Amino acid sequence: QKEVEQDPGPLSVPEGAIVSLNCTYSNSAFQYFMWYRQYSRKGPELLMYTYSSGNKEDGRFTAQVDKSSKYISLFIRDSQPSDSATYLCAMRGGTYKYIFGTGTRLKVLA
Amino acid sequence: KAGVTQTPRYLIKTRGQQVTLSCSPISGHRSVSWYQQTPGQGLQFLFEYFSETQRNKGNFPGRFSGRQFSNSRSEMNVSTLELGDSALYLCASNTGQGETQYFGPGTRLLVL
Repeated sequence: QKEVEQDPGPLSVPEGAIVSLNCTYSNSAFQYFMWYRQYSRKGPELLMYTYSSGNKEDGRFTAQVDKSSKYISLFIRDSQPSDSATYLCAMRGGTYKYIFGTGTRLKVLA
Repeated sequence: KAGVTQTPRYLIKTRGQQVTLSCSPISGHRSVSWYQQTPGQGLQFLFEYFSETQRNKGNFPGRFSGRQFSNSRSEMNVSTLELGDSALYLCASNTGQGETQYFGPGTRLLVL
C-alpha cells in the first residue's frame, strides 16, 4: 500500500464549478500537509500549506485536513480555465522527508 | 527574493554517460531536496541535503548521488545513465525546519 493515495483523474469540470481534490494517507505521523499545482512542463508551485488538522482558506482555495480519517482535501471555488493543471498533495512527519501523491489532472472547460 | 534555480534546463545524453545537475536554493534556505518525476511513477524523492550533509535518502540506486556546498547550492550526479533515467529532475528548497518547500523549474533529461 502506498503511503499516500491520490486519484489520478483526469477530472473535467465546467468553468465556475466547485472542484474537490482528495488524498488519503496511512502514516499517522504526518503533521504537515501541502497542495501544489503543476502546469505542464513546469515545476510544482505551492498553493496551500496546513499544519495538523483543520481548515485553511486562501482566496478561491480551501484546504482541509482530517487527521482522524487520514484524509485531506483541496476545494477550488469558481474554477477557471487557468486552474487546469495537475494538483499534487504532499505531506511529511518529523523526518523532513516529503511524500507526494501521484497527482490529479484537472481540466476546467470554458 | 529570487526563486529556486536549476541548470541546465534541458539535457540530452546517451546511455552509459554521466550527468551533473545543479540547483541554487532560495537565499537563506539551507535544505535542498531532489526529486525525479516521470509520467508513470510521479514525483519520487531522491535525497535531501541540509548544511552540507545528506539528511534523508530515497530508494534509488547508488548511481544517483548528490552533494551540497557551503553556500547551500547543490549538485546531483547520475552515473552510467540508463534509458529509464529520462525524467524531469526537480529540486526544492526550504529553511531546514521543514515547514514547506519551494520547487525550481526542473531539468528535463533525455537519455538516448
